[in-house]
Formats: sequence, structure tokens, C-alpha cells
Amino acid sequence: KAGVTQTPRYLIKTRGQQVTLSCSPISGHRSVSWYQQTPGQGLQFLFEYFSETQRNKGNFPGRFSGRQFSNSRSEMNVSTLELGDSALYLCASSVQGDGTEAFFGQGTRLTVV
Amino acid sequence: AQRVTQPEKLLSVFKGAPVELKCNYSYSGSPELFWYVQYSRQRLQLLLRHISRESIKGFTADLNKGETSFHLKKPFAQEEDSAMYYCALSLLTGGGNKLTFGTGTQLKVEL
Repeated sequence: KAGVTQTPRYLIKTRGQQVTLSCSPISGHRSVSWYQQTPGQGLQFLFEYFSETQRNKGNFPGRFSGRQFSNSRSEMNVSTLELGDSALYLCASSVQGDGTEAFFGQGTRLTVV
Repeated sequence: AQRVTQPEKLLSVFKGAPVELKCNYSYSGSPELFWYVQYSRQRLQLLLRHISRESIKGFTADLNKGETSFHLKKPFAQEEDSAMYYCALSLLTGGGNKLTFGTGTQLKVEL
């Protein structure tokens, strides 16, 4: 079956702009999580959506937001971009429930200039 | 709050030598522990989880609640084991699917 798909793969934005990243989970998976990966901070949890509701949230400013649609696809939005937002953004999907295996996408590489 | 520590950023071993990647965690409840691996130019993927007690690609990991450790071991390293390894923790109940990752250990297997 098809894996987790993230679009776009690469993105270059200017400071102050906003950006939307998309994630299509594995068919049948209802949980979608987002992570930020940087050389300095490693992999950090942003938020998780389950059945269109945000179930968990990490310690990121309100500029980072997300949503999930009825088909479980998810989008992540970052407003007023800062240089420090440059990172690889990973999406992971899971069937449901707590502590289940997460399947990761290839990521979207965001560069803020 | 939960925390995962991987003390080694880089571990270099010779082919055929034993491998042990260290992972310690802090959480007072009942965690689910995972090892994820990222091979060069590939996506992050699950290697194994403690609850399944499987051996994947010759790797095993035992959860030691007394020492709060979940070290990854393999008796004989192979060249194809070279990759980035992440230890991660999730809550078994009430935590959803939030993973807390360690900083990762780069394993390099030399010939």
C-alpha cells in the first residue's frame, strides 16, 4: 500500500511569509502527527490530529498550526516565518490509539531566507 | 515530562563486532519504547518496539525498568547497519501518538 506522502518536498520562503505543508496518511490511518527536525534540536513533536481533532500539542509558538480533514489528510501552517523555522518537517501516520507504530513521510525541507 | 537520552552522537565499530546503542529514558508511568532507524536518503522507519519483543535484522532491545534503559544490541555488525538510530518513547495510555525522540546515534560500521 502507498506510504505517507508529503508535499511539497522542498520549499524556499522569505521571512514574514506563511507556508502550508500537506500530508496524506496511509489509507485507514486516522492519526497524523507532525515533527520538526533540525540539526540543533533533533526531532521535536509539533502536534497530533486524530479524527479531525487536535489530540496533542508540543511546545511551539502559536504561529504553528494544523488541521485534519475528514479523509485524514492533514495540513500544517506556519505564519510569519522566521529564519529559525528552516527545518525538515516530518509527518507520521498511525492507525489509531495510543503508542501505536508511526509511519513517516519523506518530509518537506523548508528553507527560510 | 518524558525525556529520552542517547549519550553517543557517533558510534564506530568494525564489521563483525558487537554493537550496543544506549538509550535511557525518564518517565514515571508505563511507556512504550521504540527504536527508529534512518538509512541514508531513506525515510525514518520503525526498527523495533519493546512490546512486540521481536528481533529485527538481528537487533534486539530489552526494556530495563529498574535502570530506565532500552539499549539496542546486535551481536555482529554488518556494513548495511550503518545508519542513524533514534530511540523514542510514547505513552501507552492517554498520550495519543506523541513520540519523544532522543537526539540520535550515528552508527558507522567499518570494514
